[in-house]
Amino acid sequence: DAGVIQSPRHEVTEMGQEVTLRCKPISGHNSLFWYRQTMMRGLELLIYFNNNVPIDDSGMPEDRFSAKMPNASFSTLKIQPSEPRDSAVYFCASSFGGAGEKLFFGSGTQLSVL
Amino acid sequence: KNEVEQSPQNLTAQEGEFITINCSYSVGISALHWLQQHPGGGIVSLFMLSSGKKKHGRLIATINIQEKHSSLHITASHPRDSAVYICAVLFNAGGTSYGKLTFGQGTILTVHP
Repeated sequence: DAGVIQSPRHEVTEMGQEVTLRCKPISGHNSLFWYRQTMMRGLELLIYFNNNVPIDDSGMPEDRFSAKMPNASFSTLKIQPSEPRDSAVYFCASSFGGAGEKLFFGSGTQLSVL
Repeated sequence: KNEVEQSPQNLTAQEGEFITINCSYSVGISALHWLQQHPGGGIVSLFMLSSGKKKHGRLIATINIQEKHSSLHITASHPRDSAVYICAVLFNAGGTSYGKLTFGQGTILTVHP
């Protein structure tokens, strides 16, 4: 298996634009996580899906952020409209059985909002 | 309040030294993860523990549930071990969510040749 695949690796956009981040989890994993990492706050959970259903979205900053998982092999995180404070590295991770099992991380998307 | 504290924040060692990184947490947990993040940014899971001790190569992770404390040990450290090591905890949540890890602030390890 190729591991968790994220795209794009880098995204530079202007304030107000829509940004879509993509993630393909490891085949057979039933849990998917979106995390955000900043220097100030470290790693934070944004949203957690189990069997394609959002279970915990308490970490989603505000209505500008939305996430979907239309099937077991694909998820998106969308920011609309983007703001400079959204600049961060966004990681997707998957596991078989929630956060109590080993997590496999994607390589991350470095987002810069100018 | 569910908190995770790591120490030290920064650690510098000479190649070959034995290294210990500590993680303390505030209340009962379901699981504890040790993660490694290299300067390139990728995150790798090293261990997932709920009790006892695990070993993989030169890395050893232990957890003491009663004392709410975990340690990550690196024996015979090498410059390639230079990375940020992050402790992450899944607190007991009464069964409401098995997704929300709480992360420590990370320990920056530098091993000099």
